[in-house]
Amino acid sequence: RKEVEQDPGPFNVPEGATVAFNCTYSNSASQSFFWYRQDCRKEPKLLMSVYSSGNEDGRFTAQLNRASQYISLLIRDSKLSDSATYLCVVNPKTGNFNKFYFGSGTKLNVKP
Amino acid sequence: NAGVTQTPKFQVLKTGQSMTLQCAQDMNHNSMYWYRQDPGMGLRLIYYSASEGTTDKGEVPNGYNVSRLNKREFSLRLESAAPSQTSVYFCASSEARAGNQPQHFGDGTRLSIL
Repeated sequence: RKEVEQDPGPFNVPEGATVAFNCTYSNSASQSFFWYRQDCRKEPKLLMSVYSSGNEDGRFTAQLNRASQYISLLIRDSKLSDSATYLCVVNPKTGNFNKFYFGSGTKLNVKP
Repeated sequence: NAGVTQTPKFQVLKTGQSMTLQCAQDMNHNSMYWYRQDPGMGLRLIYYSASEGTTDKGEVPNGYNVSRLNKREFSLRLESAAPSQTSVYFCASSEARAGNQPQHFGDGTRLSIL
């Protein structure tokens, strides 16, 4: 089983829509979680860290569900510029703090 | 405010040639990483360095060597390039002592092996 799994999509949504992605992780002891955004052929850029209590940054909300071992990303009022691939990243923080596990990404297309 | 800088941005090699990818960070991070990304796949860790003077293998180290030259610089070397090493290579750094700090990426090296 993969450490981190994501639905590859694509999610095709109209501008203004609300869209949510989930990401499941296999290691129940995982402690640190992040969402990155990656544009085509560019480097991943940190979108937000995911805290136990959940966190919000403008139109973006991240949640952690430890019982079911998944994190989610909610995007409200989608913009054309939100079109990208969203990567889920987990650091188990057990033993080797340098092990970051990446999902394969969920592709989002926001249409006019 | 450069962050993580990679050179070169593009390179074409012939099978069997060698080359070194360079990476430097100016954020005073202890940990540095090399990943490769292939179409339809997530990032795969090649090597990492938890601190100056140390390096460790990641998920796909075969065919690569690394050097942590100092705290700022971490290079990746292909001794005898193979077509299977055609990929996009990303360098990253983080203050990973506790694992709760994110990684910051360079803008990548696009490498083609003919």
